[in-house]
Amino acid sequence: EPEVTQTPSHQVTQMGQEVILRCVPISNHLYFYWYRQILGQKVEFLVSFYNNEISEKSEIFDDQFSVERPDGSNFTLKIRSTKLEDSAMYFCASSDSRQVDEQYFGPGTRLTVT
Amino acid sequence: AQSVTQLDSQVPVFEEAPVELRCNYSSSVSVYLFWYVQYPNQGLQLLLKYLSGSTLVESINGFEAEFNKSQTSFHLRKPSVHISDTAEYFCAVSDRAGNNRKLIWGLGTSLGVNP
Repeated sequence: EPEVTQTPSHQVTQMGQEVILRCVPISNHLYFYWYRQILGQKVEFLVSFYNNEISEKSEIFDDQFSVERPDGSNFTLKIRSTKLEDSAMYFCASSDSRQVDEQYFGPGTRLTVT
Repeated sequence: AQSVTQLDSQVPVFEEAPVELRCNYSSSVSVYLFWYVQYPNQGLQLLLKYLSGSTLVESINGFEAEFNKSQTSFHLRKPSVHISDTAEYFCAVSDRAGNNRKLIWGLGTSLGVNP
């Protein structure tokens, strides 16, 4: 069964450093998403991506964040200068149709900023 | 804007007992409704969804949820739980009319099934 994969599973970085979280969506999917979950808090929407551009982003997704689909298979989330409050579990998701509304999630990357 | 409230953070039950996990939502527009499950050390998996039609929806592993528009609820139920149902359960909604299907989430309910 096809699945969304994410690497790494756990990333530890120092405050101020850049990190890139990687996701490989399901191959025929066209819509891509990033969510995050800070420990003890709700899962929060960050950004959605379709047709090689951002279709919606939340208030959290400021200039420190960017997304890219560099090669037709990977979907990355970059945080330019990490802050302590960026520590969270980051989930990637993909879907093949806006009508079906079924998003398939990866296992997540736990980002720890020290 | 939408919001989702899951009223119970933890629900401990014994195996073969019935369970109900509560979910209420607030929205000024019509929404789609979802339950996702997260087993230990795994990602989020769609358990069931309500898009339209019958207000009672079922999953393949015996869970069901009923959309109640007047009470703005989408409670999840199972008549007899197994130890393997131990997981975190998340209720989520998305805007029917929106151009994107971003999900708005509840805080989650941790279901612990004991022998």
